[in-house]
Amino acid sequence: GAVVSQHPSWVICKSGTSVKIECRSLDFQATTMFWYRQFPKQSLMLMATSNEGSKATYEQGVEKDKFLINHASLTLSTLTVTSAHPEDSSFYICSATGTTKTQYFGPGTRLLVL
Amino acid sequence: AQSVTQPDIHITVSEGASLELRCNYSYGATPYLFWYVQSPGQGLQLLLKYFSGDTLVQGIKGFEAEFKRSQSSFNLRKPSVHWSDAAEYFCAVGAGDSSYKLIFGSGTRLLVRP
Repeated sequence: GAVVSQHPSWVICKSGTSVKIECRSLDFQATTMFWYRQFPKQSLMLMATSNEGSKATYEQGVEKDKFLINHASLTLSTLTVTSAHPEDSSFYICSATGTTKTQYFGPGTRLLVL
Repeated sequence: AQSVTQPDIHITVSEGASLELRCNYSYGATPYLFWYVQSPGQGLQLLLKYFSGDTLVQGIKGFEAEFKRSQSSFNLRKPSVHWSDAAEYFCAVGAGDSSYKLIFGSGTRLLVRP
C-alpha cells in the first residue's frame, strides 16, 4: 500500500517552454501533497505544500508564478515549471500523505532544460 | 525550531558487518521520527517511523531504530549489511504542526565493501 507515482520520470525541454509533472497517490487519498527539489548529493528542499482544493503554500524563496501547483483531487497534484530555464534543471520529487502523518514519496522526475 | 543532524556524511562498512547510522534531532515535544532510504536516481522509501509507544521500532529490510529521548537520538541499525543496502539514508522529524511537513537531515551515504 501507499504507492505514489510520478510522470514523467524524466523530461528534456527547450529553454522557455513549460513542463508539467504529475504526482498521483495510487491506493490512498492524499489530503496533502508536497513538492521537493533535490540537487546532486544534497538533501531534499521543500518547495511547496498543497492541500486538495486549496492554494498551495510555498516555502520562502520559491517563486509561485514559476512553479505552479494544482491539487485538484485527492489523488492528483501537478507541478508546472513555467518558462523553464537551465537553472531549473533538477530532480523533482513529490510526496503524499493521508491520515497517517506519513509522507510517501514518488520515484522522482528528472528535468533537463537545454 | 526543529532540526535534524546526521553527523556522518559517508559511512563504509563491509558486507555482513553491522551498521549504525546516527540521527540527532531538536524538538520540544515528542517528535514524529522517520528514516527513509534513497537509491541513486530514485525517490525515497520509508524504512520505519516512530510516533509513540515502544522506543525500539522495527522496519523493512531488517532495519530497526531506537528512540532515545534523553539523547535526542533516533539511530538506525542493521545487524548484517547486504551489498544492496548501499544508498543514501535520510532521517526526518515531523515539523510539529498540522502541516505534516518534514525536516530532513543532510543524509548519510552508505557504501558497502564486498
